[in-house]
Amino acid sequence: LAKTTQPISMDSYEGQEVNITCSHNNIATNDYITWYQQFPSQGPRFIIQGYKTKVTNEVASLFIPADRKSSTLSLPRVSLSDTAVYYCLVGDNNAGNMLTFGGGTRLMVKP
Amino acid sequence: DVKVTQSSRYLVKRTGEKVFLECVQDMDHENMFWYRQDPGLGLRLIYFSYDVKMKEKGDIPEGYSVSREKKERFSLILESASTNQTSMYLCASSSPDRGMNTEAFFGQGTRLTVV
Repeated sequence: LAKTTQPISMDSYEGQEVNITCSHNNIATNDYITWYQQFPSQGPRFIIQGYKTKVTNEVASLFIPADRKSSTLSLPRVSLSDTAVYYCLVGDNNAGNMLTFGGGTRLMVKP
Repeated sequence: DVKVTQSSRYLVKRTGEKVFLECVQDMDHENMFWYRQDPGLGLRLIYFSYDVKMKEKGDIPEGYSVSREKKERFSLILESASTNQTSMYLCASSSPDRGMNTEAFFGQGTRLTVV
């Protein structure tokens, strides 16, 4: 399973754009990159997923360079409610694959 | 609305008791997972099941077992609870989709305290 490395924590202010980078040097050809968000006392929830280049949805953007050895989650104009832990995962979701979480990045958004 | 339901939100058990944590999903997902989450340690995978009666050990299976007799239900069993198993337990499910990854859905968690 590909291992991921993320910063342990980040601080930001309301209205700023936040970029969280994840390293996954051993990503395999069939692996996708997925990001989850977790609020205190809740289970993680899916934010965004991609394979290469750029993916955008109503919540975030995901940038993946050509070599796919890293990815960057971009949160535009964060608010206080975006304070959470963000996890980067890589893996192939075919049957038999396990979802393995790393330590995540604790984002603190300040007023 | 998709749902993963864990049977208890909070649970207090005594050392040595046999504990069952139940998880039910209504999405007809093949994959189901049990994690525990402790401060500073993130989510650690205990067991994984990719089909009825099939299971794989995760990173920390010691002291736990699982049961998957029906597709929608995945049970985590603490054979003899110990205080170091006090933790938040999270269940998740997902469906494999060849050629495209898919998201996992999590339950709300069970906060287990072993005294």
